[in-house]
Amino acid sequence: DGGITQSPKYLFRKEGQNVTLSCEQNLNHDAMYWYRQDPGQGLRLIYYSQIVNDFQKGDIAEGYSVSREKKESFPLTVTSAQKNPTAFYLCASSIGDTWNNQPQHFGDGTRLSIL
Amino acid sequence: GQQVMQIPQYQHVQEGEDFTTYCNSSTTLSNIQWYKQRPGGHPVFLIQLVKSGEVKKQKRLTFQFGEAKKNSSLHITATQTTDVGTYFCAGPKNSGYSTLTFGKGTMLLVSP
Repeated sequence: DGGITQSPKYLFRKEGQNVTLSCEQNLNHDAMYWYRQDPGQGLRLIYYSQIVNDFQKGDIAEGYSVSREKKESFPLTVTSAQKNPTAFYLCASSIGDTWNNQPQHFGDGTRLSIL
Repeated sequence: GQQVMQIPQYQHVQEGEDFTTYCNSSTTLSNIQWYKQRPGGHPVFLIQLVKSGEVKKQKRLTFQFGEAKKNSSLHITATQTTDVGTYFCAGPKNSGYSTLTFGKGTMLLVSP
């Protein structure tokens, strides 16, 4: 079955530590996205990528970094500069389309907590 | 910047009652999407509306896009416990390629 796989499901970070969240898709989608979700909040865009080797900052990129070396993979690193990293992180992908918004397909998410 | 606002934030209904959530944008939208997120789950795409005044139905769910393309609604007729979850609307960001601005969602609880 085609889909998006995020791992791990739960992640704990110590103070001052960088952690990387994995996101892999086999939908052959060009576009991929990372969102952060806090309780009672909508989804806020961290980074997005339209195509391999290219990515753009979203609304809350500070303290995060990404890479897009392969079409299938879009890992997110939460750096020690992110002072409030505890949240639910969702990865999504969609057909790449400059002019129209295509439906986004989401992974199951990673819950990150601070130890 | 662009904002997408949803009301109510939360609603608790008895099974069989109707439910409506409203989405309002500060700017005109070229389209609007709706997603459902079950408790502990991830958002799942429900529908996209594109035309002014468009109405689409999916079984007991009715989606509407306003004439001015600045508001939208989702109405559920005769709710069931399987309808429990948070419903999000999302509109295109003004600046980003194929990126969305999500509302904060309406959490629906249905008591049997």
